[in-house]
Amino acid sequence: QVQLVESGGDVVQPGRSLRLSCVASGFTFRTSAMHWVRQAPGKGLEWVATTSYDGRTKYYADSVKGRFTISRDNSKDTLYLQMSNLRGDDTAMFYCVREIFDYWGQGTLVTVSS
Amino acid sequence: QSVLTQSPSVSGAPGQRVTISCTGSSSNIGAGYDLHWFQQRPGAAPRLLIYANNHRPSGVPDRFAGSRSDTSATLVITGLQAEDEADYYCQSFDSRLSGYVFGTGTKVTVL
Repeated sequence: QVQLVESGGDVVQPGRSLRLSCVASGFTFRTSAMHWVRQAPGKGLEWVATTSYDGRTKYYADSVKGRFTISRDNSKDTLYLQMSNLRGDDTAMFYCVREIFDYWGQGTLVTVSS
Repeated sequence: QSVLTQSPSVSGAPGQRVTISCTGSSSNIGAGYDLHWFQQRPGAAPRLLIYANNHRPSGVPDRFAGSRSDTSATLVITGLQAEDEADYYCQSFDSRLSGYVFGTGTKVTVL
């Protein structure tokens, strides 16, 4: 069965960096586009970033452009989100999501606080 | 600020029919991009409920139905059940933003 397992969430101070990981299994990762979606506490869903199956094409929400970088390692079936210059409004649950948004991980919590 | 607008909440008694609307614009729903619906129960990750406007993934009851028209879309739940109490989000792609957009979300309460 399809599984997406995120990790890397933590409590970090404003301005610091953090890298999230998502290990995929149960499907052919290397042929699937992947996304990161986040949800601030008590708020709605916000798309963050998308990478094509081969990592050559990437899209970002304006709110994270220039600060976040999505990447993947198809040899490890792993998706990443490198986050830098974190701000308080980046506090959220971050979900790893498969191509047509049909499978979601359980999320990893990022808290930005001094 | 989301570009897809949903009514904040709807409610109904068990067995009733409820409708959730999603209003967009010519750069997303009106441009013909697929419209998806997600259900999110408290404390859980979102679940794909309807994809490509009106298709149900395996395992989703046929009580859920989606449709679209011009710059809007609708999710209808017929025969409302207690387990349907959740938040519902629409989602599409926006050509002006060059990215995906989610609706503001609708909370469904079963009375």
